[in-house]
Amino acid sequence: DTEVTQTPKHLVMGMTNKKSLKCEQHMGHRAMYWYKQKAKKPPELMFVYSYEKLSINESVPSRFSPECPNSSLLNLHLHALQPEDSALYLCASSQDGFGQRYNEQFFGPGTRLTVL
Amino acid sequence: AQSVSQHNHHVILSEAASLELGCNYSYGGTVNLFWYVQYPGQHLQLLLKYFSGDPLVKGIKGFEAEFIKSKFSFNLRKPSVQWSDTAEYFCAVNPPLGGNNRLAFGKGNQVVVIP
Repeated sequence: DTEVTQTPKHLVMGMTNKKSLKCEQHMGHRAMYWYKQKAKKPPELMFVYSYEKLSINESVPSRFSPECPNSSLLNLHLHALQPEDSALYLCASSQDGFGQRYNEQFFGPGTRLTVL
Repeated sequence: AQSVSQHNHHVILSEAASLELGCNYSYGGTVNLFWYVQYPGQHLQLLLKYFSGDPLVKGIKGFEAEFIKSKFSFNLRKPSVQWSDTAEYFCAVNPPLGGNNRLAFGKGNQVVVIP
């Protein structure tokens, strides 16, 4: 299984809502990532989990809260978002990690988020 | 600052024309190199990758890329494009050891193929 799955595919939420994005992989990868992508722009790294521990937080606002319950799952909890947070949220995974050369990241299809 | 550069952000060409997209990076040391494609409204797909070995890499959909170490470049080519190649193309680089969890993206090339 070489897939990264993400749910939901689309999400519309109001600024006062609380929602969660989910990501799952069964490739035995120990590094998982959240990216935010605006239209026609490259993905921007938000968070990296390595062996279920948060290793990188790219100064993301606290209204985004990541969680890694186990090595296969990655969640992104959303609360009090702003309209400018509307974007495609991509999850990725890779073999970890430090010292390995072959760190190809496998991307999921993304969740298209609209904040009203 | 270390970076990945893609020039000619907007490329418009006719079907059957040849395509070449440039990618230059500024990292020293060993790097892994990738080209991703994103069709309109769709997710990122890996076109091809280079880790080591033959610097000419063949990918999916007739694409190839050449790694030229002395020029810090990894240019993407396709001899004859089709309308279905209309997409955004991103070059990405894993920086050298010590930053393997980071994937640095270029700003992308928007390619439009006219039938």
